[in-house]
Amino acid sequence: EAEVAQSPRYKITEKSQAVAFWCDPISGHATLYWYRQILGQGPELLVQFQDESVVDDSQLPKDRFSAERLKGVDSTLKIQPAELGDSAMYLCASSLSGADTQYFGPGTRLTVL
Amino acid sequence: GQQLNQSPQSMFIQEGEDVSMNCTSSSIFNTWLWYKQEPGEGPVLLIALYKAGELTSNGRLTAQFGITRKDSFLNISASIPSDVGIYFCAGQQLISGDKLTFGTGTRLAVRP
Repeated sequence: EAEVAQSPRYKITEKSQAVAFWCDPISGHATLYWYRQILGQGPELLVQFQDESVVDDSQLPKDRFSAERLKGVDSTLKIQPAELGDSAMYLCASSLSGADTQYFGPGTRLTVL
Repeated sequence: GQQLNQSPQSMFIQEGEDVSMNCTSSSIFNTWLWYKQEPGEGPVLLIALYKAGELTSNGRLTAQFGITRKDSFLNISASIPSDVGIYFCAGQQLISGDKLTFGTGTRLAVRP
């Protein structure tokens, strides 16, 4: 069964360092999402791509976060510089189109020290 | 950001018992989804609901899309130890570009 792939699974970094997460969606899925999940809460959308274009990045802290999906397939989420409050699970999801079911990857657990 | 209200927050039950949890919102949703998340993993879709009043089953799981379109319910019958995890509801609105809004989660523990 096709799955969303994410790496790394775990990342520990010191504050002020740069970190990057990678996501490979299910083949053929045009829509890709990055979510942040703080411990004890549900996921919250950071950014949504339709192919290579950003559809919604209203909740992305653009002073330190950036996301790209250059060829409309895999995607990278970057944080620079990382802050203590960025410690969370970063989840990637994909769907055939925006209205279709979203399938989640296993996530990247980020710890900022 | 907005999160839907889920209750109960946590449940600790005996194996074999039935479980009920619900999700409420002040907003109307076009689609309701229920996901299960296990420690260190991403959410896995359990059931999707597309019409007000719809009742859908997936094995021992049954979910309903509330008539008002502002709530949804999930029932698990005859719980087993592998049901342990956090259950999240999620609502989807066409007006907000199909963005998913998640609930706060219900943590389920099952005692063998």
